[in-house]
Amino acid sequence: AQSVTQPDIHITVSEGASLELRCNYSYGATPYLFWYVQSPGQGLQLLLKYFSGDTLVQGIKGFEAEFKRSQSSFNLRKPSVHWSDAAEYFCAVGARVWEYGNKLVFGAGTILRVKS
Amino acid sequence: DTEVTQTPKHLVMGMTNKKSLKCEQHMGHRAMYWYKQKAKKPPELMFVYSYEKLSINESVPSRFSPECPNSSLLNLHLHALQPEDSALYLCASSQDLKDAYEQYFGPGTRLTVT
Repeated sequence: AQSVTQPDIHITVSEGASLELRCNYSYGATPYLFWYVQSPGQGLQLLLKYFSGDTLVQGIKGFEAEFKRSQSSFNLRKPSVHWSDAAEYFCAVGARVWEYGNKLVFGAGTILRVKS
Repeated sequence: DTEVTQTPKHLVMGMTNKKSLKCEQHMGHRAMYWYKQKAKKPPELMFVYSYEKLSINESVPSRFSPECPNSSLLNLHLHALQPEDSALYLCASSQDLKDAYEQYFGPGTRLTVT
């Protein structure tokens, strides 16, 4: 069955420090992978996506993610975190569970805290 | 315009009330979704509409009734809800249901059932 694991429930980093959020997926076929960010009380905003091609993808707000098929991972990175990055981050895989389309399967989320 | 709008932003309703949530997008997307999100949890899919037809119902109780009046609008009618239905209700849309299309989410409606 398709699943997404985000091993870290909470992460705290200092402002200006680098960030890496981990995501591992389980999916038999070529995955479509996404990272979404959710600020408190808000909807989800797409940060970046991987469909095929270059395994290092760039997103908005200075985020990037690297797809590693051998490790079934799609970790999110940012070289220098800003206080406004404090939010909850969801990794998701587009899984073909329906005959005619893909369903987004989300990880449990990682809450990022930024300390000044 | 990559915006999905939802109204109202907040809603408080009693268990005997009938209310509706509204979602709108003008991106020409043909797939629209309702999700329910409890605190500290990922969104859970409820319904999917594709080309204005209900395609997926994830075993949602009948007190939630979706409606897609046209390709830009999606409603969620609520009746006789329970306190445990209090959550953030998110609407999303994508170009199509197939393959590699990302979903765009609205800001959500925060529902409280008293």
